[in-house]
Amino acid sequence: NAGVTQTPKFRILKIGQSMTLQCTQDMNHNYMYWYRQDPGMGLKLIYYSVGAGITDKGEVPNGYNVSRSTTEDFPLRLELAAPSQTSVYFCASSEPGQGGEKLFFGSGTQLSVL
Amino acid sequence: KQEVTQIPAALSVPEGENLVLNCSFTDSAIYNLQWFRQDPGKGLTSLLLIQSSQREQTSGRLNASLDKSSGRSTLYIAASQPGDSATYLCAVAASGGSYIPTFGRGTSLIVHP
Repeated sequence: NAGVTQTPKFRILKIGQSMTLQCTQDMNHNYMYWYRQDPGMGLKLIYYSVGAGITDKGEVPNGYNVSRSTTEDFPLRLELAAPSQTSVYFCASSEPGQGGEKLFFGSGTQLSVL
Repeated sequence: KQEVTQIPAALSVPEGENLVLNCSFTDSAIYNLQWFRQDPGKGLTSLLLIQSSQREQTSGRLNASLDKSSGRSTLYIAASQPGDSATYLCAVAASGGSYIPTFGRGTSLIVHP
């Protein structure tokens, strides 16, 4: 059981380049989230999705885009990368229902923009 | 907007001590609260989840409590070990349909032999 899988694990971008961070889950979860984590700052929500075809902005969406064409996949697109986007990115998924459903995380993508 | 605060930000203790990590939140309309462990350079591992209707959960040496009325949760670690060294984060999931988890900044714990 793979859970939540993120690729790549590491990436270095030049300013102005674009890339897509991949996230896929095999638990048939409808809810998926993208967070970024900066040192000492906890996790900040970038975008989230409550099901295929439905996405919404989180706390820090500027400079990012997402899509959700399938239940399994929730890619995060960075357009025109900037140094401020240097961070560790985490994808997570859950399936709320009765209150006891856990949030599952991928292992993260460490991104540096130089 | 939900605000989650964790105190202390860092903690260094000798092995064997019993520890209390604190998490406070501003909006009591929560779906659940989850405690995570994060090792350096790694992802987040779920430790305990407390549903909105529950008061506490236990797993081994870990015990988490929830008091919605005061907006607080505590994570109790009994007989700490060097292997417990990590950052501990709490996440509060909103009720009302979005279920969006809001995270605190974490408590960085070092347990020295």
